[in-house]
Amino acid sequence: AAGVIQSPRHLIKEKRETATLKCYPIPRHDTVYWYQQGPGQDPQFLISFYEKMQSDKGSIPDRFSAQQFSDYHSELNMSSLELGDSALYFCASSLSAHEQFFGPGTRLTVL
Amino acid sequence: AQKITQTQPGMFVQEKEAVTLDCTYDTSDQSYGLFWYKQPSSGEMIFLIYQGSYDEQNATEGRYSLNFQKARKSANLVISASQLGDSAMYFCAMREGRTAGNQFYFGTGTSLTVIP
Repeated sequence: AAGVIQSPRHLIKEKRETATLKCYPIPRHDTVYWYQQGPGQDPQFLISFYEKMQSDKGSIPDRFSAQQFSDYHSELNMSSLELGDSALYFCASSLSAHEQFFGPGTRLTVL
Repeated sequence: AQKITQTQPGMFVQEKEAVTLDCTYDTSDQSYGLFWYKQPSSGEMIFLIYQGSYDEQNATEGRYSLNFQKARKSANLVISASQLGDSAMYFCAMREGRTAGNQFYFGTGTSLTVIP
């Protein structure tokens, strides 16, 4: 079965640079979520989209922005990167409220 | 206040035995969903089981079952017949409301080790 696709899988950036993470949800899934997971921590909800509109917003820094496109894929844009942004970034998708499937994650390292 | 509390940082279980991982939640919403995820050392997050607040029966998925006690606001995960591959971090999560895009709240996780 098709899963959530995230790219890139690994990313190394310098401080103050920008990064764009991409997420391709499971086909027919109309809801996308973004999470940040620091080392040894639980996933922190950043933002979600339903039918290309922002659905809910969590602890997403102002330096980050995201959107969902007409083909339902989503991008998380991160600017002025800081050392503390180093983390595993997950995208997840769902078709109903009874489920949420995660992608493999993008490991971002900020040097 | 924490929305999701997992009080067991680490648990050990003998292979083929059953184990219960605790989860309590805090919400004033009448409608909510409870989820359990497994995160092996490789890092992926694997969706295990879902329980809706209006579901009268406990959810089951293969060797996983959710012991849902609404009055106590607990949603414990029971893994039967533990296998070595069950060794992982387990997260309990909650989504308030009925809308799919609503924020998820995760607990701090329980690290399960299955002993041969």
